[in-house]
Amino acid sequence: DAKTTQPPSMDCAEGRAANLPCNHSTISGNEYVYWYRQIHSQGPQYIIHGLKNNETNEMASLIITEDRKSSTLILPHATLRDTAVYYCIVSSDRGTSYGKLTFGQGTILTVHP
Amino acid sequence: DTGVSQDPRHKITKRGQNVTFRCDPISEHNRLYWYRQTLGQGPEFLTYFQNEAQLEKSRLLSDRFSAERPKGSFSTLEIQRTEQGDSAMYLCASSPPTGRDGYTFGSGTRLTVV
Repeated sequence: DAKTTQPPSMDCAEGRAANLPCNHSTISGNEYVYWYRQIHSQGPQYIIHGLKNNETNEMASLIITEDRKSSTLILPHATLRDTAVYYCIVSSDRGTSYGKLTFGQGTILTVHP
Repeated sequence: DTGVSQDPRHKITKRGQNVTFRCDPISEHNRLYWYRQTLGQGPEFLTYFQNEAQLEKSRLLSDRFSAERPKGSFSTLEIQRTEQGDSAMYLCASSPPTGRDGYTFGSGTRLTVV
């Protein structure tokens, strides 16, 4: 599986956009980029995923570079409840590992009033 | 359907005892995953079921760990002869057949071995 690199922590002011970067320079084939977040003491929550095109849903936008080696998760108007650990994951597409997610350390996003 | 349910939420056990956790996935999801998470770390993959078949096990899953999904619905994770190093959050997740539409995680079972 391709590995991902994320900054360990980021800060954002409430109401502003939070832009969380992720590098996945060894991504290949049909591997998807997924974003999850985890609020303390809860299970991870799915946010968004994409393959090649930019994606948007009610929670966030995902921008994937043309060479697919990096991506950015955008929370357009961050709130205090968006404070969480954000994980960027590249999904496996090999054999029985199809769809398995391998989590890294993630980025701790702190939203300030 | 209220999502993925895990039971119990918390478990305290003495070293050497056996424990069993249960996971009830979303009913139409045929894929079920177990992960373990220790403090300050991301979740680590343990094992994966497609229907009742256990298709992959991590090397983290020692001989003391066993998982089942007997009828392709709920799953159990048993840890025999628990050790203090087994203390962690055990997370269950399920996904639909394609596996590419995102997982739904449960709230986890927090295990403390004393």
